Amino acid sequence: AQSVAQPEDQVNVAEGNPLTVKCTYSVSGNPYLFWYVQYPNRGLQFLLKYITGDNLVKGSYGFEAEFNKSQTSFHLKKPSALVSDSALYFCAVRGGPNVDSNYQLIWGAGTKLIIKP
Amino acid sequence: DSGVTQTPKHLITATGQRVTLRCSPRSGDLSVYWYQQSLDQGLQFLIQYYNGEERAKGNILERFSAQQFPDLHSELNLSSLELGDSALYFCASSGGQGRGFYEQYFGPGTRLTVT
Repeated sequence: AQSVAQPEDQVNVAEGNPLTVKCTYSVSGNPYLFWYVQYPNRGLQFLLKYITGDNLVKGSYGFEAEFNKSQTSFHLKKPSALVSDSALYFCAVRGGPNVDSNYQLIWGAGTKLIIKP
Repeated sequence: DSGVTQTPKHLITATGQRVTLRCSPRSGDLSVYWYQQSLDQGLQFLIQYYNGEERAKGNILERFSAQQFPDLHSELNLSSLELGDSALYFCASSGGQGRGFYEQYFGPGTRLTVT
């Protein structure tokens, strides 16, 4: 069965420090991986995706994520955190084109990121 | 702005009632997805439509139903509402002509409060 795990309910980081939000996955075939951010009382915003190619993917707002096939992980990172990065972050995965997934995404439970001044 | 619109933004209704939530996908997107997000909970996938046809079902209650119309907008109907149905309901779209079926783009959501 396909699944996504975000092992941390909450991550606390001081402003200016690097941040990492963890995501691991289990999927048949090659994974398509996504990160989304949700600010309070807002819809989810797409941050970045890994489909194929370079394992380091750069996205919006200075975020990046590294695909690690051997560890089945896709951790979200940012070199220097901002207070405005405080939000809820979701990781999602879709099985690759050789899997009949009906284009659904499997979602992690979300990680609350708190950046303290 | 994702290009996905949802109406209404807020809805307050009583138990036992029926409501309809509306979603217009991004121009050209063929797939529409409905999600429920309860307080302090993650996203629960409800149902997906592709070009007017139901494509996949998730944890959707029998009291809930949806459809996608020829102009590709979609409606989610919630009936016999219970207090536990109070949540944010999101619509997302993906997969337009010439686009990959990759990321989904989300609307701002409808906040439903059942009293």
